[in-house]
Amino acid sequence: NAGVMQNPRHLVRRRGQEARLRCSPMKGHSHVYWYRQLPEEGLKFMVYLQKENIIDESGMPKERFSAEFPKEGPSILRIQQVVRGDSAAYFCASSPRARLGTEAFFGQGTRLTVV
Amino acid sequence: KNEVEQSPQNLTAQEGEFITINCSYSVGISALHWLQQHPGGGIVSLFMLSSGKKKHGRLIATINIQEKHSSLHITASHPRDSAVYICAVRSKSGGSNYKLTFGKGTLLTVNP
Repeated sequence: NAGVMQNPRHLVRRRGQEARLRCSPMKGHSHVYWYRQLPEEGLKFMVYLQKENIIDESGMPKERFSAEFPKEGPSILRIQQVVRGDSAAYFCASSPRARLGTEAFFGQGTRLTVV
Repeated sequence: KNEVEQSPQNLTAQEGEFITINCSYSVGISALHWLQQHPGGGIVSLFMLSSGKKKHGRLIATINIQEKHSSLHITASHPRDSAVYICAVRSKSGGSNYKLTFGKGTLLTVNP
């Protein structure tokens, strides 16, 4: 069981480009959560998805950010027209149930740098 | 004021020392997590607590629900324990009890 896989681990984008971050949950997990960790700040909830459904996107910025978790393939966090303030570490977690329980599994994160 | 406060923010210890990291929260919770993050690394879940105390190897986590406080203890600390330790709470609210609210973390450095 490979665990939660995120790629890429590091991503550099110029201002105005698009960033695509991928998260493959653990086998058998159908619930995915995305979190953002800004420099010197704690992790913040962004979005919670189940297969083909966005359950809660209350933590997502209203513009430029979107997320999906298709029936097949990884969950994608997409940031359009990136700005310097988007530079952060983005973490994905997955669980087999609707709550992160003792079995909370996080990925290694994607470090996005906008230059 | 953050809903989850950790102290201290930074902690430096000598190898072998007993370490305590504290977490206070201001909301009703259904569970509290302690997480570990190595520099540039991923996040590992250490404990999930809803009451009492849990032990895993040299790590001990306690929670006092009435006082809204939890502690993470490391006995016989080792340089490989150097990491950021993060406290996160899960809301009691039935509709959104999947959400975690995180503290800012405690950076622990254990010197040999």
